Amino acid sequence: AAGVIQSPRHLIKEKRETATLKCYPIPRHDTVYWYQQGPGQDPQFLISFYEKMQSDKGSIPDRFSAQQFSDYHSELNMSSLELGDSALYFCASSYEGVGYGYTFGSGTRLTVV
Amino acid sequence: DQQVKQNSPSLSVQEGRISILNCDYTNSMFDYFLWYKKYPAEGPTFLISISSIKDKNEDGRFTVFLNKSAKHLSLHIVPSQPGDSAVYFCAASAYNAGGTSYGKLTFGQGTILTVHP
Repeated sequence: AAGVIQSPRHLIKEKRETATLKCYPIPRHDTVYWYQQGPGQDPQFLISFYEKMQSDKGSIPDRFSAQQFSDYHSELNMSSLELGDSALYFCASSYEGVGYGYTFGSGTRLTVV
Repeated sequence: DQQVKQNSPSLSVQEGRISILNCDYTNSMFDYFLWYKKYPAEGPTFLISISSIKDKNEDGRFTVFLNKSAKHLSLHIVPSQPGDSAVYFCAASAYNAGGTSYGKLTFGQGTILTVHP
């Protein structure tokens, strides 16, 4: 069965650079969620999109932005990267909420040096 | 403010015995709860979930119990196997303000389960 695809798997950037993370949800899933997991921490919700519109917003820095495209894939854009942005970034997708296949991707490990 | 708490950072059990992982929550708006298993550098893998209208849900070796009055849930794994060794996260969700669908997950801190052969 198709899963949530995230790219790239690993990314190394320097401070003040920009990074773009991509998420391809499971086909027919209409909602995408982004989470950030720092070292030794639990995943923290960043932002979500339902039918290409932002549906909820969590602790996402102003330096970050995201959108969901017409094909339902989503991109998380991160600018002016800081050392503290180094983390695992997970994307999850679902169809009409957690009761319907709320599935996580394998994540993108971002390292800022 | 940690709305979902897993107070045991780690748990060690013998193969074949029962593993019990606990989770407490403070937000009374939470009405859907999930357990995820996670290996390092991988995404969380869904294990089992429970809606607030139930007090028990069972799937194979995994059973989740929900005590709404105590705002407590637990995951039972019987029998435990060495392959179950991983980090287990409890997560909770509530209906969006618009009431159209469940939204973000709020995670606990995770419990490292080690099952010894």
